[in-house]
Amino acid sequence: DGGITQSPKYLFRKEGQNVTLSCEQNLNHDAMYWYRQDPGQGLRLIYYSQIVNDFQKGDIAEGYSVSREKKESFPLTVTSAQKNPTAFYLCASSIRGLAGFTGETQYFGPGTRLLVL
Amino acid sequence: ILNVEQSPQSLHVQEGDSTNFTCSFPSSNFYALHWYRWETAKSPEALFVMTLNGDEKKKGRISATLNTKEGYSYLYIKGSQPEDSATYLCASGNQFYFGTGTSLTVIP
Repeated sequence: DGGITQSPKYLFRKEGQNVTLSCEQNLNHDAMYWYRQDPGQGLRLIYYSQIVNDFQKGDIAEGYSVSREKKESFPLTVTSAQKNPTAFYLCASSIRGLAGFTGETQYFGPGTRLLVL
Repeated sequence: ILNVEQSPQSLHVQEGDSTNFTCSFPSSNFYALHWYRWETAKSPEALFVMTLNGDEKKKGRISATLNTKEGYSYLYIKGSQPEDSATYLCASGNQFYFGTGTSLTVIP
């Protein structure tokens, strides 16, 4: 089955700790995205990548870092600099990207909920 | 940052009723408007991508229209069923700005 997997489903972070959220896709898509959802707000773009070894910041990139060493994988690290990390995180992909310009459909993973201890 | 707004925030309808909701977006520099359905405990699923003014798209009982000149799109559901219960999201703009969604509950 082609799709996007995210792990873990729930993640707990202690103060001062960096944590990494996994996102893998087997759709052979070039572009991948990370979004954050907070209660009462729309999904907000954290980072996106259109090609391996290249990525761009979205509107709320502060306190986050990403890597794109393989086409299939786009992990997101929530660093200790992110002071309010509690949120639901969604990963997505599209065939080429940037989906906003191209009108491509984005395909989403099931999400990871990050909670702070 | 693009201001994409959806209304109403939530909606409860009886099974069999038809309903509609709105997505508003800035009409300048328009590229595309996307509608997604997000059911509880599932991933958001694409419904429509609309790019041209006057576009109308249909998928079963769900349809959507687009007015890029005035900056709005309507999503219509005809004869709502309990399985239509979900949050409906729209997105527009170069960085895919999402609205906050309309939560639809269809009461059997």
